[in-house]
Amino acid sequence: EAGVAQSPRYKIIEKRQSVAFWCNPISGHATLYWYQQILGQGPKLLIQFQNNGVVDDSQLPKDRFSAERLKGVDSTLKIQPAKLEDSAVYLCASSLVAGQGYGYTFGSGTRLTVV
Amino acid sequence: AQSVTQLDSHVSVSEGTPVLLRCNYSSSYSPSLFWYVQHPNKGLQLLLKYTSAATLVKGINGFEAEFKKSETSFHLTKPSAHMSDAAEYFCVVRHGSSNTGKLIFGQGTTLQVKP
Repeated sequence: EAGVAQSPRYKIIEKRQSVAFWCNPISGHATLYWYQQILGQGPKLLIQFQNNGVVDDSQLPKDRFSAERLKGVDSTLKIQPAKLEDSAVYLCASSLVAGQGYGYTFGSGTRLTVV
Repeated sequence: AQSVTQLDSHVSVSEGTPVLLRCNYSSSYSPSLFWYVQHPNKGLQLLLKYTSAATLVKGINGFEAEFKKSETSFHLTKPSAHMSDAAEYFCVVRHGSSNTGKLIFGQGTTLQVKP
């Protein structure tokens, strides 16, 4: 089966600019996650969708970050305006069911550099 | 709240010698635990998962982990390291009910394999 697709792979922007990332999960996967991985750290969950509804966005900096999952398939994550500390790899993952024992498939990520 | 602690930020072994990456977890109930590997510039790959079945879990590429409730540990081992094992390894606990299931990552352990 095809994996989780993310684009772009790399992005360099200046602070205060805006940026958007795109994720296409595995077909049929109801749950979609966005994680932020700062260099030298483990990934941290930003937001979780179940179909097109938000399950958990408690760690999403809502003053500058937004995400949507229209039609319960593709998702976009936006940062506006970007700060230097937003430099990180943004990982998208999906799972068939968000339940005990089910695995998750991660995309290759988008590496964002804010200068 | 669930969490994981990876006890070593960096482990160095010689090729052909055993690998031990240590992880302790904190959970108020029976957890789901995972080990993921991340090679440079590649996505996260699931090595193995524990979901309250057998306490000794076998994964891909010769890795295995043992769930020890009395020690709240889930250490990752491999009898003989290969150069291709050099990567970042994350111990992960799944948090939440069957309807949420977000992953909480440890800080990661960098495995270096020397020839």
